[in-house]
Amino acid sequence: DQQVKQNSPSLSVQEGRISILNCDYTNSMFDYFLWYKKYPAEGPTFLISISSIKDKNEDGRFTVFLNKSAKHLSLHIVPSQPGDSAVYFCAASDFGNEKLTFGTGTRLTIIP
Amino acid sequence: DTGVSQDPRHKITKRGQNVTFRCDPISEHNRLYWYRQTLGQGPEFLTYFQNEAQLEKSRLLSDRFSAERPKGSFSTLEIQRTEQGDSAMYLCASSLMIRDSHNEQFFGPGTRLTVL
Repeated sequence: DQQVKQNSPSLSVQEGRISILNCDYTNSMFDYFLWYKKYPAEGPTFLISISSIKDKNEDGRFTVFLNKSAKHLSLHIVPSQPGDSAVYFCAASDFGNEKLTFGTGTRLTIIP
Repeated sequence: DTGVSQDPRHKITKRGQNVTFRCDPISEHNRLYWYRQTLGQGPEFLTYFQNEAQLEKSRLLSDRFSAERPKGSFSTLEIQRTEQGDSAMYLCASSLMIRDSHNEQFFGPGTRLTVL
């Protein structure tokens, strides 16, 4: 049972444009959501998070949007840069149980 | 470097052998997690510690797997009688648990295990 789903295995975006990565979840107990970025042969690197009491969180070029009624979140990267090319994982946890449940990842390729 | 470190980075072993991995978390972090990642999947939770106490183990963690964090600092993950299905990237993460708040987990580079 995949509780966190990333339905797009890959995404290609022109440099300078906006990248939008999507994530859906099924467990209504999840109340904290994170995005991680992963390069080959490295561990995931934390990017940005959002609590369920918010619907938007911004950090520089990265913005995460949360739609609780749709159980959907998205990560916007603008402008996209070549160094953003990596695999992006969406993850979720519920309060009091800090283990993360991850999606299967989306490979983002930024085209120069 | 003050991040999470893992040793070894790569391990090749024959089926039936025992292996042990080590994780050194960020020094002030009181929580330590182990995850496993296989090809094409996201990391899957295995177990976690708060200080030296092991608080939860996943059903993925068969009785061949054991994890310890004896002094609340570094942790070891041992796999006994390895099987080919154990081949994966084993990831360690740490976080600073603050009451009544969520805290992001910081991951190490992982140990890639190949069982022949």
